[in-house]
Amino acid sequence: AQTVTQSQPEMSVQEAETVTLSCTYDTSENNYYLFWYKQPPSRQMILVIRQEAYKQQNATENRFSVNFQKAAKSFSLKISDSQLGDTAMYFCAFMKPVYGGATNKLIFGTGTLLAVQP
Amino acid sequence: ETGVTQSPTHLIKTRGQQVTLRCSSQSGHNTVSWYQQALGQGPQFIFQYYREEENGRGNFPPRFSGLQFPNYSSELNVNALELDDSALYLCASSLRGYTEAFFGQGTRLTVV
Repeated sequence: AQTVTQSQPEMSVQEAETVTLSCTYDTSENNYYLFWYKQPPSRQMILVIRQEAYKQQNATENRFSVNFQKAAKSFSLKISDSQLGDTAMYFCAFMKPVYGGATNKLIFGTGTLLAVQP
Repeated sequence: ETGVTQSPTHLIKTRGQQVTLRCSSQSGHNTVSWYQQALGQGPQFIFQYYREEENGRGNFPPRFSGLQFPNYSSELNVNALELDDSALYLCASSLRGYTEAFFGQGTRLTVV
C-alpha cells in the first residue's frame, strides 16, 4: 500500500520570501504521479503542480517548483516570492499509473498549513 | 466550461439518519470520485464511478453508496449516520485515463 507523509503541520513565511514544504512517500511502484494541491479557506482543492516519476526533470509552474528525489522518495514544494494569496493548506498526493480501467484515485498526506505574513 | 459543483454546502443530520450529497461534474468529464476529509486530515478516497458503475472503492463500509447518472453527475449516500461521519465530502471529476482531477468546494456534513 502507498502512504504519503507530511511532517510539517504548520509553516509560516514572510511575504516575498521563499518557503519549502516537505513530503515523503512510500511505494513499490516504479512509475507513478505526484501532486501538490492547495486548499484555501474556500475548501476547493486546486492543483498546484504535477510530477511524473519517470521524468527526471523537476516540474515548475511559475513561482512553484518541486524537488523530486525518486531514490529517497521525497517530493518537496518550493514557493518563491510568497504572496498573501498563497495562504492555504497544502496537500501532497500520490497516484498510481492509470492504465486501462485502473482507478485514478489520489492518496493524500495530512497537509501543511502555510501562513504568509505581510 | 462549468466547474464541479456540489450541493448542499452545509448539512446537519442526526445520528442514525440517512443523507444524500450531490455533485455535478465538469463538462466533458466521465469519471467522478468521492473523498471524505475529516477535520485536520487529508482527503480519503471513498469510491469512484465511471459509466454509472463503481470503479474502485476505498476502505469504507457498505452504508456508503453512490450513483452516477447518464449526464455523469453523481450522488453519495450514507445510511445510518454515525458521529464519525462528520467531515467535508469532496467530489472530483476527471476524464478516464487522465490524472488531473478537478474538485468541487465540498459539502460540510455535521452529524449530531
